Amino acid sequence: AQRVTQPEKLLSVFKGAPVELKCNYSYSGSPELFWYVQYSRQRLQLLLRHISRESIKGFTADLNKGETSFHLKKPFAQEEDSAMYYCALASISNFGNEKLTFGTGTRLTIIP
Amino acid sequence: GAGVSQSPSNKVTEKGKDVELRCDPISGHTALYWYRQSLGQGLEFLIYFQGNSAPDKSGLPSDRFSAERTGGSVSTLTIQRTQQEDSAVYLCASSLGGAGSNEQYFGPGTRLTVT
Repeated sequence: AQRVTQPEKLLSVFKGAPVELKCNYSYSGSPELFWYVQYSRQRLQLLLRHISRESIKGFTADLNKGETSFHLKKPFAQEEDSAMYYCALASISNFGNEKLTFGTGTRLTIIP
Repeated sequence: GAGVSQSPSNKVTEKGKDVELRCDPISGHTALYWYRQSLGQGLEFLIYFQGNSAPDKSGLPSDRFSAERTGGSVSTLTIQRTQQEDSAVYLCASSLGGAGSNEQYFGPGTRLTVT
């Protein structure tokens, strides 16, 4: 069965410091991974997906199949990055549909 | 266009009562998901609808939970004989469906409190 692990429930970082949110996964198939973000009083929304290989709001994430990781990184944290971040893995269910398995989330707080 | 909408935004109910939560997906999205967001539990998949196919109910925690999707659009999640552990935020999401990994668009959620 697939699993997504986010080991840190809470992470506090000073403004301007580097940020790394950890995500590890287990899945027997070819993984497709995502980061979703929920800002205060806003809806959960897609931040980035590994197949796009793009940088969104200064964040990047590289899929490391050897380490089964998909850590989210940003070199210089900004106050507006404070939010709840969820790592998610797409897999094909027994019903043949695609479903997302989410991690438990990491609440990131940027200290001014 | 309009995003995913959910109603009510908040629901307080007494233990043992039934509740219905509604989700209106984005027009044209064939895939619809229900999740439960509990403190410390992250996002828990409940049920998935794709077009006219049989739904994937593998995430429903008990037979007190059921969901319908009428006409391939609006969905209703019903919880019978609510328990205090059902208290959570219930999120609905929709996506284009079909092949490939499609972005899921989330609604604002319904916060359910069982007293």
